[in-house]
Parts: sequence; structure tokens; C-alpha cells
Amino acid sequence: DTGVSQNPRHKITKRGQNVTFRCDPISEHNRLYWYRQTLGQGPEFLTYFQNEAQLEKSRLLSDRFSAERPKGSFSTLEIQRTEQGDSAMYLCASSPGGGSVHSPLHFGNGTRLTVT
Amino acid sequence: AQSVTQPDIHITVSEGASLELRCNYSYGATPYLFWYVQSPGQGLQLLLKYFSGDTLVQGIKGFEAEFKRSQSSFNLRKPSVHWSDAAEYFCAVFTGGGNKLTFGTGTQLKVEL
Repeated sequence: DTGVSQNPRHKITKRGQNVTFRCDPISEHNRLYWYRQTLGQGPEFLTYFQNEAQLEKSRLLSDRFSAERPKGSFSTLEIQRTEQGDSAMYLCASSPGGGSVHSPLHFGNGTRLTVT
Repeated sequence: AQSVTQPDIHITVSEGASLELRCNYSYGATPYLFWYVQSPGQGLQLLLKYFSGDTLVQGIKGFEAEFKRSQSSFNLRKPSVHWSDAAEYFCAVFTGGGNKLTFGTGTQLKVEL
């Protein structure tokens, strides 16, 4: 169990640029979640996958955001035409899933995005 | 909608003193509740969870929490705080399908030496 891995740890970009983050979940965890955390707030749910299927997207996930998990392993989160309001910590989490309620989420260390 | 409230934004305690962080939940049925800790610039680490059964749950690092249905609370406690416990603490509840978590706004703990 090597934990949830997120890359990069930090990303600074100019407004209007596109960015992509990667998350590698704990192996054999079939659920993968993306959260966003702004300063002074708790993490907010963005979307989650069961294997390769994206099962739910939050209203926070605007059209500029897209997430994929093509082979049911790692996931990417892309933000197009970044805005300053996108500056936040983006957290990835995974869980064994399978419908068990006894599966807490394991979080990565996050990617901190700064849009200038 | 299911939610959790953490009334205290900041708490300062002296090292060796006891600690209680408050969490209130809003949920119609029996909630699945969690406490996570976040050190600066880091992700979240699970301290403990409550699903059912014994209302006093033990976690890692000497933390415990008590589920009180009558008060809709799930407060986190530690008998003696260490300087390394300084961090932000989040209460959370499973929400809806897919075991999504809804978090409180967090309590920032400062430990005075």
C-alpha cells in the first residue's frame, strides 16, 4: 500500500491556460474521488469514478473541468481556460468501494493550483 | 441535505491539556461519521470513523470520539495533547450514493508549549 499519489504537488499557471493533474489511487481501489479545497474551507466534492465509469459530477464541476479514468486505474483532472477562482488545492481520494459502507476514503497530498 | 457543522474555527490548548473538538451533524438516518486531520500542505489522514455499534470509537494517535444521537454530535477528544497534534481537523459524513464525503469547515488546532 503506497498510498494515493498526486502529481504535480504544485502548479502555477496564467489565467486562460489549461492544466492537467494526475492521481494514482491505491492499487485495487475501484473508487476514485476528486475534491477541491479552498483556503479556510473543508474539501468539496467534485466527482467520482467507479472503475472507469464517472458516476457523479458536482454542480461545482463547470464545463471547463473534465475528469477521466480511462483504464480504471489512474485519473486525470483537466481545467481549461483557468480562472483565478480556480486557485485551490485539488485532492484525490480512493476507496475499495464495491458498495461497502465500511470503506473510508484515503486521500493523497493534493495538487495546489495557483492561477495568476 | 446531510451536513456537518464545526462551530469552532480556531482552538488553542496547552501541551498536555485535554482537547475536545465539536462536530454537529444533520442527517435523517444513522450517519456514517469521520474525523480527518490535515497538516499544512498535506492531504487528509483518517483519525477514526463511526458506522454503528459502540458509540465511543477509538482512533489513531490517541484520539477518540463519541456519537451522541440525542445531541446530533460526534465530538473528537484527546486526554493529553502533544505539540505534534497542531493541525486542522475536519469532521465529515457520508452523503448519498457512492460514499461521498461532506466535510465541515474545519477546526484549526494550535498547541502552546
